[in-house]
Amino acid sequence: NAGVMQNPRHLVRRRGQEARLRCSPMKGHSHVYWYRQLPEEGLKFMVYLQKENIIDESGMPKERFSAEFPKEGPSILRIQQVVRGDSAAYFCASSPQYGTGSYEQYFGPGTRLTVT
Amino acid sequence: QKEVEQDPGPLSVPEGAIVSLNCTYSNSAFQYFMWYRQYSRKGPELLMYTYSSGNKEDGRFTAQVDKSSKYISLFIRDSQPSDSATYLCAMSAFGTSYGKLTFGQGTILTVHP
Repeated sequence: NAGVMQNPRHLVRRRGQEARLRCSPMKGHSHVYWYRQLPEEGLKFMVYLQKENIIDESGMPKERFSAEFPKEGPSILRIQQVVRGDSAAYFCASSPQYGTGSYEQYFGPGTRLTVT
Repeated sequence: QKEVEQDPGPLSVPEGAIVSLNCTYSNSAFQYFMWYRQYSRKGPELLMYTYSSGNKEDGRFTAQVDKSSKYISLFIRDSQPSDSATYLCAMSAFGTSYGKLTFGQGTILTVHP
């Protein structure tokens, strides 16, 4: 059973460009979560999605960041007009079911974004 | 005050030692407790999760939860050099916040031969 897949693993963008991060959940999982890990800080929740639905986006910055999980295809985290402070590791996780299963989250290898 | 506090260490122990990792929390709504292991430049790996107060054992790992004190622990018996990693505690609440895990800042553990 393949794990959570993320691509690209490393992404370099210049300030002002757009960054698109992709996440394919584990087989059978229909819930996706995005977290950000800044240098010297812990993992911070960003957003929780089901297929075609945003369940909780309380951790998303108000501007420039958006996420989607379409009916077909991977989940996408999009960062517009990137700034140096967006440089971080972005992790995607998936879980097998709603309700009490949502805390059983399995993480992908992450995408390391560097903004120059 | 952070919702979850975890001593960042670093913690260095000899092979075979018993390791104790701890987290405290302030939010009474947290009901689910997880421990993750993260190797350098890798994604977190789920080690254990629990809901109840008390102990849960899995091989060399024991997770302990004391909800009355808002304190959780992870014990590693017979520690191995391969256990060297960052250990993260994480917590989740009931209701609409199910999917939102709140993490501690992680404890860096080194087990030397």
